[in-house]
Amino acid sequence: GENVEQHPSTLSVQEGDSAVIKCTYSDSASNYFPWYKQELGKRPQLIIDIRSNVGEKKDQRIAVTLNKTAKHFSLHITETQPEDSAVYFCAVSPGSNDYKLSFGAGTTVTVRA
Amino acid sequence: DSGVTQTPKHLITATGQRVTLRCSPRSGDLSVYWYQQSLDQGLQFLIQYYNGEERAKGNILERFSAQQFPDLHSELNLSSLELGDSALYFCASSDGLGIAGANEQFFGPGTRLTVL
Repeated sequence: GENVEQHPSTLSVQEGDSAVIKCTYSDSASNYFPWYKQELGKRPQLIIDIRSNVGEKKDQRIAVTLNKTAKHFSLHITETQPEDSAVYFCAVSPGSNDYKLSFGAGTTVTVRA
Repeated sequence: DSGVTQTPKHLITATGQRVTLRCSPRSGDLSVYWYQQSLDQGLQFLIQYYNGEERAKGNILERFSAQQFPDLHSELNLSSLELGDSALYFCASSDGLGIAGANEQFFGPGTRLTVL
């Protein structure tokens, strides 16, 4: 099955700085890469996603980049705010008639005021 | 609010018991996915249903089963419960199988299962 590795496991940043989380995957046929944000005790919330035919996607302070050759994708959060503090999960869907998500282990982001 | 509902919110039961978790997908969504989130195993895919039929299976134990009903709600049945089954169980829904690949999955609030 798909193996998704996520780094770092914890990230502490000063408010206003940028945060970057990177994920690597093993199946070169994978074609859908969402990012979820999960606050303590809450549901994972989809914050941005990218498909394999696109290299970069941006939504306000959040961006995702995909390098299919190297099989890695990254989440970039700029101008971080305290409300960005949460656990972030990357996920990968194999595509090709298989739509389940394989998740990374998560990154706990803390934004220091 | 994602539009996906799950009941109950919390469930406390004893080892050896059986429980049923319920999920209602977003209006119009045909696919339902079940995931288990535990501290040691993270978020793991269990099973997917599409329009009433089982579509994919993940790391789902034989003691666990699921179904999707004609009104598209789904139930996850967990039997012969063990301490290690304590976890958050999420369902997610999407609007179909996707023409260009997977579609966005929206998660429900989860059911926290505690097995004592």
